[in-house]
Amino acid sequence: AQSVTQLDSQVPVFEEAPVELRCNYSSSVSVYLFWYVQYPNQGLQLLLKYLSGSTLVKGINGFEAEFNKSQTSFHLRKPSVHISDTAEYFCAVSDGSGTASKLTFGTGTRLQVTL
Amino acid sequence: DAGVTQSPTHLIKTRGQQVTLRCSPKSGHDTVSWYQQALGQGPQFIFQYYEEEERQRGNFPDRFSGHQFPNYSSELNVNALLLGDSALYLCASSLVGDYEQYFGPGTRLTVT
Repeated sequence: AQSVTQLDSQVPVFEEAPVELRCNYSSSVSVYLFWYVQYPNQGLQLLLKYLSGSTLVKGINGFEAEFNKSQTSFHLRKPSVHISDTAEYFCAVSDGSGTASKLTFGTGTRLQVTL
Repeated sequence: DAGVTQSPTHLIKTRGQQVTLRCSPKSGHDTVSWYQQALGQGPQFIFQYYEEEERQRGNFPDRFSGHQFPNYSSELNVNALLLGDSALYLCASSLVGDYEQYFGPGTRLTVT
């Protein structure tokens, strides 16, 4: 069974400051990792994904994440946040089984950017 | 290119009733997955359809059922609604073998 732990339920940060949202996962098999963002009253938008290859992945809106297999982590970072980055962020894992395998999500981290 | 669409946007039902939610996948996609997102929680996988068959199922009771049509659109049915079924129901589509899923805006179901 897979699981995802997002260690911080809320992260307050000032505009233009850097931010890191933490994600740890557990899985008995190879995993594929994702970060999604959810703005109020909207669905989920994919920020970035790790399937294989380089452990540093770059996504949309200036976000990046690093896959660390030894620490089973996939932390999301942005060097300088903007007010518009205020949203809920979800880390998710897939084991790659099935036709297009299911995603297991963490409980989310609320990023609150203020002036 | 239309993304994933869902209908209705909002729905209010009474305990014990039945509800049907609908999803049209992104153009070119053939696999549809459904997720339930309770307030303040991450989405939880309900089931996935491909070639009009349920391929994977999460830990949800049989009250939750689905269907996929030849045009790849899908329905989620929930019978004997409970107060705990109140949630945002998200549909995601993908292409078989591709692990990237595209989500729709969701249907907000309120059970009173």
